[in-house]
Amino acid sequence: DAMVIQNPRYQVTQFGKPVTLSCSQTLNHNVMYWYQQKSSQAPKLLFHYYDKDFNNEADTPDNFQSRRPNTSFCFLDIRSPGLGDAAMYLCATSRIGTGRNYGYTFGSGTRLTVV
Amino acid sequence: RKEVEQDPGPFNVPEGATVAFNCTYSNSASQSFFWYRQDCRKEPKLLMSVYSSGNEDGRFTAQLNRASQYISLLIRDSKLSDSATYLCVVIQGAQKLVFGQGTRLTINP
Repeated sequence: DAMVIQNPRYQVTQFGKPVTLSCSQTLNHNVMYWYQQKSSQAPKLLFHYYDKDFNNEADTPDNFQSRRPNTSFCFLDIRSPGLGDAAMYLCATSRIGTGRNYGYTFGSGTRLTVV
Repeated sequence: RKEVEQDPGPFNVPEGATVAFNCTYSNSASQSFFWYRQDCRKEPKLLMSVYSSGNEDGRFTAQLNRASQYISLLIRDSKLSDSATYLCVVIQGAQKLVFGQGTRLTINP
């Protein structure tokens, strides 16, 4: 029944080694989001796709990139992970129509460790 | 100033107590408001939406004051299972979900 699926659940990567986190959804939602949540902090929006339109937050480092090849999938690429990028990465989806948001669904998150 | 600010907590209260959380938001154009609950190392989950008229869901009551840009959550007869972090969340425009820093609640037996 999982509707927003993130893989893997836990990811360990080496300092500076590119890593990709994936998110898929079965809800046919038109918006997909990536949030970064560090320990004891609020989730912080990195970027989102509204359909195919990419929307980057002003303070998201260039080290973070995203791809959305189709409605169902969205990827988060970290080009050169640093120790400060260790966090929980949350994918969320929502359906937006006529300027109204019908609610969000979160995936279970991927916990990234950088060694 | 943060876009969404919450009581810093943590709150430690005995089982059965009533506890209230507060939240303020800076963008007067914000349209939708929510409380989310997040358990340790899990994703946030929607607890309830917040409406101008106030709304109640069992032991939980949410209030919105648009004039003061203030949101509250009241939990009555608290249970051990209510222990979690509670996140105040505001939608800006139609697309952007902005979280407060969260308030950690621990219910003690």
